[in-house]
Order: sequence, then structure tokens, then C-alpha cells
Amino acid sequence: SQTIHQWPATLVQPVGSPLSLECTVEGTSNPNLYWYRQAAGRGLQLLFYSVGIGQISSEVPQNLSASRPQDRQFILSSKKLLLSDSGFYLCAWSPGAWSRSIKNIQYFGAGTRLSVL
Amino acid sequence: AQTVTQSQPEMSVQEAETVTLSCTYDTSENNYYLFWYKQPPSRQMILVIRQEAYKQQNATENRFSVNFQKAAKSFSLKISDSQLGDTAMYFCAFMRGFGNEKLTFGTGTRLTIIP
Repeated sequence: SQTIHQWPATLVQPVGSPLSLECTVEGTSNPNLYWYRQAAGRGLQLLFYSVGIGQISSEVPQNLSASRPQDRQFILSSKKLLLSDSGFYLCAWSPGAWSRSIKNIQYFGAGTRLSVL
Repeated sequence: AQTVTQSQPEMSVQEAETVTLSCTYDTSENNYYLFWYKQPPSRQMILVIRQEAYKQQNATENRFSVNFQKAAKSFSLKISDSQLGDTAMYFCAFMRGFGNEKLTFGTGTRLTIIP
């Protein structure tokens, strides 16, 4: 079965410090990968998605970037955190184009709560 | 652009009762998918139910069912025999039907099941 891992679970960082959040998926190949952010009391907003290694699409301009160095690894980064980067970050995956699994379903990790102080 | 609206910020219901959460959406697409996700206090997003727009039959998953009204662009979630473990935020979400597109979420409904 497929599993998605996201870490760390909680992170407190000072303004201006760098950020690296990691997400990995097991049990599948060529997944589509997504980073979402959830502000307090609100729904999720898509930040980045990737359909393959090195292929990143950005949904909103921001202080963050994403990379996909390996097929099942997705990293969210920042060189200098802002106060407005605080929030809950969720990674998700969905079956890739060549998968036999039911598509159009996204499965989420447990999330990372980021506090920028 | 697609939008998803959940007009009930909070709801509460007695255990074992039935509750219906509302969702409306706006799109010009004809092929799309609709979802209900549950976010318990642990904050992990859990898929509750999925509906394909081209299917007229309403999706059901055990105690969870939807009322999908395509013409009215309405997609409500009914929870029967509610349980304490159903306490969570519930998000309605929309996805276009071509490839693995992004999910557009509503703002959520906080549901509390009262013992």
C-alpha cells in the first residue's frame, strides 16, 4: 500500500532563517505531488505541484520554492522566512498518468505546523 | 476560475442523529470531480467521498452520502447515525476533470458531535 511521510511535524523558525520541509511517498511510482498551505481557520491553497522529477509548477507567487530531486521526494524551501509564511503545510500525492489506480484522488500527509517568529 | 462555497462555518448535532453539510460551486466546466475531505483535530486531511460529475447516481460510503445536483451546482454531504469520531472540519473540494488538476477547497464547516 502507498504511504506518504512528511516532516518535521512542528517547526518554529525565526524570521529570515531558511526553511526545508520534506515529503516522501512509498509504494508507488511516478506520482503527482503537491504542496498546500492552510492558514488558520481556512481552506487549503495549492502552492506547487509536480508531475515528474525536476518539473515544478507554481500556483501563487511567494517567498517559497519547491524541488523534486527524486521521483518520490518533494521539498518545500525558502531562503528567508517571513512572518506571513506561518501556517500549516500539507503535502499530497495522486496516481500518475500511467498508474492503474483510480486517478483524480489526492492523498495527504500529516502536515507540518510552521511558526515564524 | 472555479470557486467553492461552504455557507455553514459551524454545525453541531447530537450523537446518532443525521446531519447535512452544504456546498455550492461555480464552474464552466462540464467534466469535473467533487470531494468531501475530513480534517480531525490531528489535522490530517482524510478523503470521505468522491463524486464524478458525469455520474448521475449519488456516491455513498457507509454512513456518508452526497446529494449531487449538477444543474444547481450543489454538492451536500449527509452523515447518518453520527458518531463522536465524526467531529472534525469538513471541506468540500473541486477538481477539473482533465488529468490530475489542483483541488480548489471551500473554507470548511466545523462539525461537532455532541454526546
